[in-house]
Amino acid sequence: AQKVTQAQTEISVVEKEDVTLDCVYETRDTTYYLFWYKQPPSGELVFLIRRNSFDEQNEISGRYSWNFQKSTSSFNFTITASQVVDSAVYFCALIKTSGTYKYIFGTGTRLKVLA
Amino acid sequence: DSGVTQTPKHLITATGQRVTLRCSPRSGDLSVYWYQQSLDQGLQFLIQYYNGEERAKGNILERFSAQQFPDLHSELNLSSLELGDSALYFCASSLGGPEQFFGPGTRLTVL
Repeated sequence: AQKVTQAQTEISVVEKEDVTLDCVYETRDTTYYLFWYKQPPSGELVFLIRRNSFDEQNEISGRYSWNFQKSTSSFNFTITASQVVDSAVYFCALIKTSGTYKYIFGTGTRLKVLA
Repeated sequence: DSGVTQTPKHLITATGQRVTLRCSPRSGDLSVYWYQQSLDQGLQFLIQYYNGEERAKGNILERFSAQQFPDLHSELNLSSLELGDSALYFCASSLGGPEQFFGPGTRLTVL
């Protein structure tokens, strides 16, 4: 069975602080994709990153960075120097690379960045 | 803008009623997925269509049904609505690979 766990239900930080959102996944598949999505108050799902299970390189995109560690089945997301506009719910998702490509989403982490 | 459109944006209806949610995928995408986001169940997969054929089912209630038309747009039909069906319904499309492009969602409120 596949499962994604985001243990942090809600995190509050003060603007300019760094914050890490945790994501732990379970899968028996050897090849899979991991995703992060942002859901701002307006409700849409905004794609942030896709990572293939064979690519364990960390990635940085501006203030965002991702740490993928297969050994611990984790795919954590860090926002550096957080801003109020980062306030949103963030979802981690898993998808296997064969068969039906249905997303398995975590329960999400609500991030509140206070001015 | 993902290129996926969903109508209506908001829908308010009463218990026992039936509604239809519409999704137009990105140009060229053959797969359409429906997801439900509710407070108690989170974001969960409902059903997938590929080029008009049902491909996979998730946690979709028997009161719900979907179809994909020859022009590839899809409709999700929800009947005998209950208060617990209030949720945000997302449609996503893909060409066939793992990455899906999500529409803006339809917010359904059942009173």
